[in-house]
Amino acid sequence: EVLLVQSGAEVKKPGEALKISCKGSGYSFTTYWTHWVRQMPGKGLEWMGSIFPSDSDTRYSPAFQGHVTISADKSISTAYVQWSSLKASDTAMYYCARKLGVHDSFDMWGQGTMVTVTS
Amino acid sequence: SYELTQPLSVSVALGQTARITCGGHNIGSKNVHWYQQKPGQAPVVVLYRDTNRPSGIPERFSGSNSGNTATLTISRAQAGDEADYYCQVWDSYVVIFGGGTKLTVL
Repeated sequence: EVLLVQSGAEVKKPGEALKISCKGSGYSFTTYWTHWVRQMPGKGLEWMGSIFPSDSDTRYSPAFQGHVTISADKSISTAYVQWSSLKASDTAMYYCARKLGVHDSFDMWGQGTMVTVTS
Repeated sequence: SYELTQPLSVSVALGQTARITCGGHNIGSKNVHWYQQKPGQAPVVVLYRDTNRPSGIPERFSGSNSGNTATLTISRAQAGDEADYYCQVWDSYVVIFGGGTKLTVL
């Protein structure tokens, strides 16, 4: 069974660092791009960026470039997104999803990780 | 940058046909994917590459894409179809989502 399992909910203070994870199983993790998508409370889906774990080729949305870092450890089939200094506006649900190629859909999604940033 | 425009909401009577549009410049030249998201759940793809249904998605879900508009059509709408629907394309190395449409089944 193909699964993307994300790390658990986080509650952080502004200025703190955070790294959340997404572990793929049931498929060749290095064959698919792993993407990250933000959904702020009550809002729509926003693409953050993606990584190809085979060679760590990484792409970012202009809106998120410089604000987050996407990485992966192919040895454990896990992708990450991290923040060095969180803001209250980073409060959102974060999803990982896999995609074979640029013209393909997101055919599998993680369950989401809720990040709450509050003082 | 490329933009996708969806109506904020669409209502449909139980058993009738709902149509959700996704507008974008020359979107007919792109591959459009549609996702359904129910409250508290992750999105699920219901159509890929304009017209293709993944396994497990009912035949009631169909799509078209031409000119500046892509359309998701849900026939014989059921209460369980009530959800948010998002269109998505890829353009210039960026993944783009529409703003989402809330489908209400009356």
